[in-house]
Amino acid sequence: QVQLVESGGGVVQPGGSLRLSCAASGFTFSTSGIHWVRQAPGKGLEWVTFIQYDARYKYYADSVKGRFIISRDNSKNTLFLQMNSLRAEDTGVYFCAKGGVRFGEALFFWGQGTLVTVSS
Amino acid sequence: QPILTQPPSASASLGASVTLTCTLSSGFSHYKVDWYQQRPGKGPRFVMRVGTGGIVGSKGNGIPDRFSVLGSGLNRYLTIKNIQEEDESDYHCGADHGSGNNFVWVFGGGTKLTVL
Repeated sequence: QVQLVESGGGVVQPGGSLRLSCAASGFTFSTSGIHWVRQAPGKGLEWVTFIQYDARYKYYADSVKGRFIISRDNSKNTLFLQMNSLRAEDTGVYFCAKGGVRFGEALFFWGQGTLVTVSS
Repeated sequence: QPILTQPPSASASLGASVTLTCTLSSGFSHYKVDWYQQRPGKGPRFVMRVGTGGIVGSKGNGIPDRFSVLGSGLNRYLTIKNIQEEDESDYHCGADHGSGNNFVWVFGGGTKLTVL
């Protein structure tokens, strides 16, 4: 069955960096676009970024543009999110979600998330 | 880009029906919207996509027949019939928006459904 397992979360000081990973299994990773979506404590969902199946196209929310970088390794079925210049408002649970070939397809499967806390 | 508005809370008795609403901002009445269910402490789960003509494509894995959708004007509805305890969740609506080289997903604030 489809599985997405996030890791790499933790506590980091403002201005610091963190790298999240998302290990995928149960589907053809190399033909799927993947999203990162986050959720601040007690709040709704906020889309963060997307990477096309071949990494040719990447899109970012304005709130993270220039600070976060999405990448993938199709040989290892793994997605990454490099987060730099972290701010308190980046705190939340980060989910990876499987999309389709096109950006506009639904986020069909989600992981359980990894918690990022930005605090001094 | 569209703004999606959801009431923060809803409630229904066990076995009853409830309709959740997601309202698109003006000018986006042709947009399709996805519904996602999020149980406490879990990642979201895709329910189904809805446009003005009703469901678009297939339901998500394991979504029971009790769940249905409708679309009218700026509103996208998710109806749950014969509500069960396991339906108590947060329900989020989301939509993609893109033009040129700029593509984003937007989500509503979510509706917390309480089963009485």
